Amino acid sequence: DAKTTQPTSMDCAEGRAANLPCNHSTISGNEYVYWYRQIHSQGPQYIIHGLKNNETNEMASLIITEDRKSSTLILPHATLRDTAVYYCIVSVNTNAGKSTFGDGTTLTVKP
Amino acid sequence: DVKVTQSSRYLVKRTGEKVFLECVQDMDHENMFWYRQDPGLGLRLIYFSYDVKMKEKGDIPEGYSVSREKKERFSLILESASTNQTSMYLCASSSRQSRGKPQHFGDGTRLSIL
Repeated sequence: DAKTTQPTSMDCAEGRAANLPCNHSTISGNEYVYWYRQIHSQGPQYIIHGLKNNETNEMASLIITEDRKSSTLILPHATLRDTAVYYCIVSVNTNAGKSTFGDGTTLTVKP
Repeated sequence: DVKVTQSSRYLVKRTGEKVFLECVQDMDHENMFWYRQDPGLGLRLIYFSYDVKMKEKGDIPEGYSVSREKKERFSLILESASTNQTSMYLCASSSRQSRGKPQHFGDGTRLSIL
């Protein structure tokens, strides 16, 4: 699985968009980009994933660059409850979803 | 919504005890996983299972075993608990069918070995 690089921490004002970057320059053609988050004392929560195209669901949007070497998770209107550690992962589709979680980005949403 | 349920949120055991951690998922997922999470080390995969009675070692299987007798249940066993197995244990499941197969996690069991 390709390695990812994320900033250690970020702040965001409540109600504003939170844009979380992730670099995955060694991603291969069959690897998906996944985003999870972990709120304190809970298990990781799946947010969104994509292969090539941008994706959107009720939680977030995922923007993947054309060369697929980086991506951005967008929380359009951050709330205090979005304060969490956000993990960006790349993984091959055929390995039964086995994923390697790094240190992630600690997002703090401030009032 | 997918529901992954771990039997205990908090557990305290003694060194040398045999410890069972149970995980049940209600979405008929084929794949199930056990991780441990420690500060500064992230999530590390212990074991995973593709199907009933099948298991594969992850990155840190030493000191652990698993059992998958039914599709919905995946058990992690600490054969003889030691203090270095004090950790947060997370169970996850995923479908072989859905595109990209994202994992769905339980809320974890915080295990303390005294």
